[in-house]
Amino acid sequence: EDQVTQSPEALRLQEGESSSLNCSYTVSGLRGLFWYRQDPGKGPEFLFTLYSAGEEKEKERLKATLTKKESFLHITAPKPEDSATYLCAVRTGNSGGSNYKLTFGKGTLLTVNP
Amino acid sequence: DSGVTQTPKHLITATGQRVTLRCSPRSGDLSVYWYQQSLDQGLQFLIQYYNGEERAKGNILERFSAQQFPDLHSELNLSSLELGDSALYFCASSPLTTSYEQYFGPGTRLTVT
Repeated sequence: EDQVTQSPEALRLQEGESSSLNCSYTVSGLRGLFWYRQDPGKGPEFLFTLYSAGEEKEKERLKATLTKKESFLHITAPKPEDSATYLCAVRTGNSGGSNYKLTFGKGTLLTVNP
Repeated sequence: DSGVTQTPKHLITATGQRVTLRCSPRSGDLSVYWYQQSLDQGLQFLIQYYNGEERAKGNILERFSAQQFPDLHSELNLSSLELGDSALYFCASSPLTTSYEQYFGPGTRLTVT
């Protein structure tokens, strides 16, 4: 069974204090790792997709990296508006692309204090 | 705004009742997914439809069913509701052509009393 574990469960940072969130996974045949941001009571917002070990993606203060067993979401000089729950998900399923699901971790609740 | 719409935003109903949640995918997306999010379980995949056909099933109870119509909108039917069914229900859609990320709607908050 596919498993996704995120750590820490919660992280409190001061504005400007850089840190990293971890997502480790155990799947049979990774076909993509996805990062989402979710604000309270809202739907998850897509951030990044990573497909192969060594791949990196960046967007503003966020950078996602991928190894064979885990992914990191690095947050550089965070601001209070970066406060949210960050979710990691893995894609498994057949290679055809029309039949797959995402398995989500439970998320990391990030709070950035001014 | 992801382009995925869901109605209603909130739903309050009693145990034993039946409700229908509606989702319209982003323009051009053929695949629709339903997820349930509760505080203790996190985001759980329920079911996927692709161009009107069921393609994958997750932890969906027998009391729940879904369908995707020819105009690609989808409905999730929840029946014989129990207190434990109270949760946020999200619909997502995906292009499944050049990319596989899923775009989520704003969700329907279901409260069963």
